[in-house]
Amino acid sequence: AQSVTQLDSQVPVFEEAPVELRCNYSSSVSVYLFWYVQYPNQGLQLLLKYLSGSTLVESINGFEAEFNKSQTSFHLRKPSVHISDTAEYFCAVGSNDYKLSFGAGTTVTVRA
Amino acid sequence: DGGITQSPKYLFRKEGQNVTLSCEQNLNHDAMYWYRQDPGQGLRLIYYSQIVNDFQKGDIAEGYSVSREKKESFPLTVTSAQKNPTAFYLCASSITGDSPLHFGNGTRLTVT
Repeated sequence: AQSVTQLDSQVPVFEEAPVELRCNYSSSVSVYLFWYVQYPNQGLQLLLKYLSGSTLVESINGFEAEFNKSQTSFHLRKPSVHISDTAEYFCAVGSNDYKLSFGAGTTVTVRA
Repeated sequence: DGGITQSPKYLFRKEGQNVTLSCEQNLNHDAMYWYRQDPGQGLRLIYYSQIVNDFQKGDIAEGYSVSREKKESFPLTVTSAQKNPTAFYLCASSITGDSPLHFGNGTRLTVT
């Protein structure tokens, strides 16, 4: 079994500033990791994923995350945020058993 | 366009009544899932199905039931035995147990 901790529940940030959302996990087996984004009253959308290979993964809208096995972390970063990045972000960890574990979520509020 | 359809978007029921939430997918995915989302708690797995005519309990299956008679459909019944049924319910599907989840837009159930 695995568990996920998202260290910040709320992250306020000004437009065009950088943001980092922290995610730590615990697992006794090899894992794969995801970041999902959720807009109000909608389902979750995949932002990016790490399955294997390069530890730095990028999304098409400027987000990136780095898998750090020694620190069991998968932090999400964006160098310059937009108002439209206001949403809730979830880190998720799985190990090929169909039981993906989600963090409690981090709400990002971007202000002009 | 392929996707997952959850209906209805909002559902109201009186305490003591069973209610069934619909989930249909046209992505040709073998696996389907039901998650419950409560504020500040992330997503918790209720039931999942790896293949037609088979399903397994997740972390919080008590008070819920499912069926998987067709590949496309995975309805969830919230029974009167579920002590706190008011929540946002999300259905998802995936190709395999280690591939990303595709989510529907959710059903918000309110029981009074």
